[in-house]
Amino acid sequence: AQSVTQLDSQVPVFEEAPVELRCNYSSSVSVYLFWYVQYPNQGLQLLLKYLSGSTLVKGINGFEAEFNKSQTSFHLRKPSVHISDTAEYFCAVSPKSGGSNYKLTFGKGTLLTVNP
Amino acid sequence: GAVVSQHPSWVICKSGTSVKIECRSLDFQATTMFWYRQFPKQSLMLMATSNEGSKATYEQGVEKDKFLINHASLTLSTLTVTSAHPEDSSFYICSIGGSSYNEQFFGPGTRLTVL
Repeated sequence: AQSVTQLDSQVPVFEEAPVELRCNYSSSVSVYLFWYVQYPNQGLQLLLKYLSGSTLVKGINGFEAEFNKSQTSFHLRKPSVHISDTAEYFCAVSPKSGGSNYKLTFGKGTLLTVNP
Repeated sequence: GAVVSQHPSWVICKSGTSVKIECRSLDFQATTMFWYRQFPKQSLMLMATSNEGSKATYEQGVEKDKFLINHASLTLSTLTVTSAHPEDSSFYICSIGGSSYNEQFFGPGTRLTVL
């Protein structure tokens, strides 16, 4: 089984400031890692994913995340945020193998609020 | 990525009635679809996994007789909330499994309010 912990439920920042949203996971098997963004009353949009290879992955809207296997973390970062980045961000994992076990396990989410 | 639509986007119904929510894959043949519910300010909880042409697999604690899922074609899955009650009010989101099965594409969600 997998579990995902997003350490901060809310992160307020000022516009153009850098931000880091933290995510730690637990799993007995190797996993793929994802970050999704959800704007109010909308579904989820994939920001980025880590499948294998380079531990630093770049996604849409200027976001990037770094996979750290020893710390079982996958923190999301952006060097300069915009008002439009205000949204809920979800970290998720999926087992790499297991037949039909391609379920996503989500963290509880982090609400990023960018203030002017 | 694949484009997923849901209909309706929001629905209000009276307690005791049934509501059907449609999830369509517009440009991808989806053999696997997932249904989630999300309570306000909470994460997504997987309700069930549906495979085209077979019975859905429900997560522990989800009543399969209350939440009927039908995945009759590669582009359409439906979730019917039977005899809805106010506690069923929630945001229901569907997703489809990508071709590589390591990511999912999500619909825009359906807001259900039961009075």
